[in-house]
This record gives sequence, structure tokens and C-alpha cells, in this order.
Amino acid sequence: SAVISQKPSRDICQRGTSLTIQCQVDSQVTMMFWYRQQPGQSLTLIATANQGSEATYESGFVIDKFPISRPNLTFSTLTVSNMSPEDSSIYLCSVSPTGTYEQYFGPGTRLTVT
Amino acid sequence: GENVEQHPSTLSVQEGDSAVIKCTYSDSASNYFPWYKQELGKGPQLIIDIRSNVGEKKDQRIAVTLNKTAKHFSLHITETQPEDSAVYFCAASPSGSARQLTFGSGTQLTVLP
Repeated sequence: SAVISQKPSRDICQRGTSLTIQCQVDSQVTMMFWYRQQPGQSLTLIATANQGSEATYESGFVIDKFPISRPNLTFSTLTVSNMSPEDSSIYLCSVSPTGTYEQYFGPGTRLTVT
Repeated sequence: GENVEQHPSTLSVQEGDSAVIKCTYSDSASNYFPWYKQELGKGPQLIIDIRSNVGEKKDQRIAVTLNKTAKHFSLHITETQPEDSAVYFCAASPSGSARQLTFGSGTQLTVLP
């Protein structure tokens, strides 16, 4: 398994501003993922962030709105840009340890945009 | 792409009874099927998973079954306890190296004492 932490755990932001969410894992992993979970809903994949390559975004998500960095094998950031109330969600990072199928999730960042 | 349907959306059982949650998937190339438990205010926790070359897997009170032909898989929880109350998500992952998960819509399980 892997131990994953996220910062901040929650935040309240004003519309039009940006928030950067950090994800730290306790071991080196190639594959990291960012998901969004809207209130009372399921998880939707935003992008895959592999170290050494550009993030791959899913349909409906664009780099200008959700820029991602992956500077090394234990860390990634997701920025939610030019926020609107519709961006209020839980943002989760996950990792898949090398050589396994398992995917482990962090505790999430609860974002409220007013 | 993959589409995963999950039923029921809510399930209430008496403590000690069994609970069954069912999922169907659309992509026959999917070969990995995990189940997650999400408690209020927490991230999803992987509780059990199954690969497509296995029909059933058991871990203490929980088990997962897979029917590749029918493209459905189920989570079985026996001897339910109040601490089993949570939202449960099934997911499917296509073959290959992407490891991307497509999630079902979730089941709110309530175990009544």
C-alpha cells in the first residue's frame, strides 16, 4: 500500500481565484491520478500525472483550468484556476504503486467556492 | 469508453445480515475490478479487488465475485456490523498500463443495530 497526504484538507475560496492542492506519497510511484468528487456523487478522473511526461487529461477537463505538476516520484500538485461555485468539490489524488493494479487514495481536499 | 453501473443506490440491513452490491461494466477489455469503502469526510479505501482471471475472492467477511461472460461483479458482506455503514464504490480498469479507474455511482450502506 501507500500513505498519501494532501494539503490543504479543506479551503473556502472566492470566485475568480486559484487554489493549488498538494499531494505527497511516502514511496516513489510512477503513476498518480487526480479525481474530482462533486457533493454526493461518484469519482471522476481529471487527469493522469506520470513523472517525466505531460499530464493526460480526460474529456471535459483542460490544462488551462486544471494545470498539474509532477516534479518527482513522490509529489504532485493540481491547481484549480479561475474558480467558480461549480468547482466546489472534493479533489482526490491517488497512486498506483509500480507493478501493481491497486490504486490508493489520499484523504481529499474539500473545496468550497463562494 | 468504459461505463460502470451500480445497484442499489441505498441499502439498509439489520446488523448480522448479509449485504450484496452489484455492478455491471461495458468494456470487455476491462480486467481489474476493485471495491472501495468511503466513510464520511475520508478518501476511498480499497477493501478488496479481483482480476479477470479469477472468479471469486474472499477476505474474512467480504467477498467479490466476477462473471466475465455477463460482465458483472458483486460485493458480498456477511455478518454486517454498524461500522460497515459507509458508501461503497465499484470500479473497473481496462487492460494496459494506464490503470485508469471508471467508478460506479456508489451505494450508501446502512447497518441498523
